[in-house]
Amino acid sequence: GESVGLHLPTLSVQEGDNSIINCAYSNSASDYFIWYKQESGKGPQFIIDIRSNMDKRQGQRVTVLLNKTVKHLSLQIAATQPGDSAVYFCAATSPGTYKYIFGTGTRLKVLA
Amino acid sequence: DTAVSQTPKYLVTQMGNDKSIKCEQNLGHDTMYWYKQDSKKFLKIMFSYNNKELIINETVPNRFSPKSPDKAHLNLHINSLELGDSAVYFCASSLLAGAHTQYFGPGTRLTVL
Repeated sequence: GESVGLHLPTLSVQEGDNSIINCAYSNSASDYFIWYKQESGKGPQFIIDIRSNMDKRQGQRVTVLLNKTVKHLSLQIAATQPGDSAVYFCAATSPGTYKYIFGTGTRLKVLA
Repeated sequence: DTAVSQTPKYLVTQMGNDKSIKCEQNLGHDTMYWYKQDSKKFLKIMFSYNNKELIINETVPNRFSPKSPDKAHLNLHINSLELGDSAVYFCASSLLAGAHTQYFGPGTRLTVL
């Protein structure tokens, strides 16, 4: 079945370093992708999105890269801060399905 | 102002009981969703309503019944609760169905004893 997976369950980075969280998806028809951040005890919070007609999109301290050839996207966080500690999810949707397939999540730990 | 709100935040109940979780969004969105997040943090879509019409109905036991009295509200009723229903349930909404950002509520942690 359709799946969205993440390469690492936990990622530990030093404060101030850059973080890269990876995600693979299986459906080549997927055309819209979102990264969410979920802090403990809260709901997922939108970070950044990208459509399949783009390869890269930048936000404030975050960049999403999309490689449709290998069905892979990544979230880069610049100058990682303690407040970035959370579980990060990627999600993908395909035309006409109305639903998102969520990845299993990567826990980002920021070390002081 | 809370965009997507859920009540209650915590729900502890006995097996076999019937319970409801309420969700409201004040974003003016047409589409609302219910997700279940298990203990491993995996998020899975359960239902979606677009302007009060059911558009997603995943493989969910028929003990779960969503109800949308208007497009700003989507409630989830669960009959005959089982131990395996214990999870965090999230409501979400999006402007329209399809490739639009979903905004999530704070979640309802359901514990079935």
